Amino acid sequence: DTEVTQTPKHLVMGMTNKKSLKCEQHMGHRAMYWYKQKAKKPPELMFVYSYEKLSINESVPSRFSPECPNSSLLNLHLHALQPEDSALYLCASSRSKGLNQPQHFGDGTRLSIL
Amino acid sequence: GEDVEQSLFLSVREGDSSVINCTYTDSSSTYLYWYKQEPGAGLQLLTYIFSNMDMKQDQRLTVLLNKKDKHLSLRIADTQTGDSAIYFCAESPNNNAGNMLTFGGGTRLMVKP
Repeated sequence: DTEVTQTPKHLVMGMTNKKSLKCEQHMGHRAMYWYKQKAKKPPELMFVYSYEKLSINESVPSRFSPECPNSSLLNLHLHALQPEDSALYLCASSRSKGLNQPQHFGDGTRLSIL
Repeated sequence: GEDVEQSLFLSVREGDSSVINCTYTDSSSTYLYWYKQEPGAGLQLLTYIFSNMDMKQDQRLTVLLNKKDKHLSLRIADTQTGDSAIYFCAESPNNNAGNMLTFGGGTRLMVKP
């Protein structure tokens, strides 16, 4: 079991749909992350939020739009995705963005774009 | 630049020890991590080591760090079939970006009964 909860676990959507991925943690962590993981590859960082403010955007296309409504929640809004965006999307959190704070991951949302 | 490398695959028999190796290039790395990923799941933090340490033991897991050679290893004692998974090492470089992780490509561990 993980203390970072992601919903939904699976999502199938068409290229014209709008959907959102959700991530929640109640560990009091103030840094939250979105990663994209393709099959047989390591996770790739997409976004970092620190104290509810966007800290890092790793040149992610604008069809991915993150949102951090409060310190426990992180959303990823999806619109007009492409088939190559099909992947496992992982959320992680850490106590802060400091160097000695390990990141804890959720189980991910497996996204398929038709 | 940063680069973290791992061998792709390791196969062991149940009850044997497993040793998964990792090399990294960034000498400024402060923390090094081991994560486990089972099929269909996220990454589970197994253990981590600070760069001023050379060994850390946690139950069946032993992490060895050779900072001079930039080599990290994870030893799993008495390997069980439940240890079958992909293992990622990751480094956290000491830069202004804070807690950013650079992952290796992952080592798939297969444990045969």
